Amino acid sequence: NAGVTQTPKFQVLKTGQSMTLQCAQDMNHEYMSWYRQDPGMGLRLIHYSVGAGITDQGEVPNGYNVSRSTTEDFPLRLLSAAPSQTSVYFCASSYGGAGTEAFFGQGTRLTVV
Amino acid sequence: GENVEQHPSTLSVQEGDSAVIKCTYSDSASNYFPWYKQELGKRPQLIIDIRSNVGEKKDQRIAVTLNKTAKHFSLHITETQPEDSAVYFCAASILNAGNMLTFGGGTRLMVKP
Repeated sequence: NAGVTQTPKFQVLKTGQSMTLQCAQDMNHEYMSWYRQDPGMGLRLIHYSVGAGITDQGEVPNGYNVSRSTTEDFPLRLLSAAPSQTSVYFCASSYGGAGTEAFFGQGTRLTVV
Repeated sequence: GENVEQHPSTLSVQEGDSAVIKCTYSDSASNYFPWYKQELGKRPQLIIDIRSNVGEKKDQRIAVTLNKTAKHFSLHITETQPEDSAVYFCAASILNAGNMLTFGGGTRLMVKP
């Protein structure tokens, strides 16, 4: 049972490049979400999903796309990277309903130059 | 949407003293309030949570209290130890609605030996 796995751990992009941050969970969790954490700040919700085929926007969705084709995977796509997207990205998953603890992946540190 | 304010942003205590971190939230529909501990370079880890039908919850040296009327909740750590040094985040969410977390800005707790 690996929990929530994010890849890569570190990434440097040039402005304008695109990339996909991967997130996979093996706990059969319904809910998955992406957060970004900027220095000295709390985590902010980018996108979330309540089940396969269902996604919605969070607080800071601009510049990011998501899809949820399977229960296990929830990739985050940066369409055209900008320096403002330099951040640490965390994926999280949790059961729906009563079981609510959110389990976080180890994070992806992204730098856009 | 939900807004969570957290105070103080930094807190320094002597080993063995108590530490209290306070959060307020704005959305009366929020009914789940977790607290996360994040060590440098690591993922957030849940340390305790409380639901809106409970006023207080304890787990060894850690306790959380909730005042729904005033929309605030607090984390209490007793007999602090150097290993308690970390950044602590409060959060709020609505159960059965995707478990999207709105985080406070964080409190950096430093426990001096």
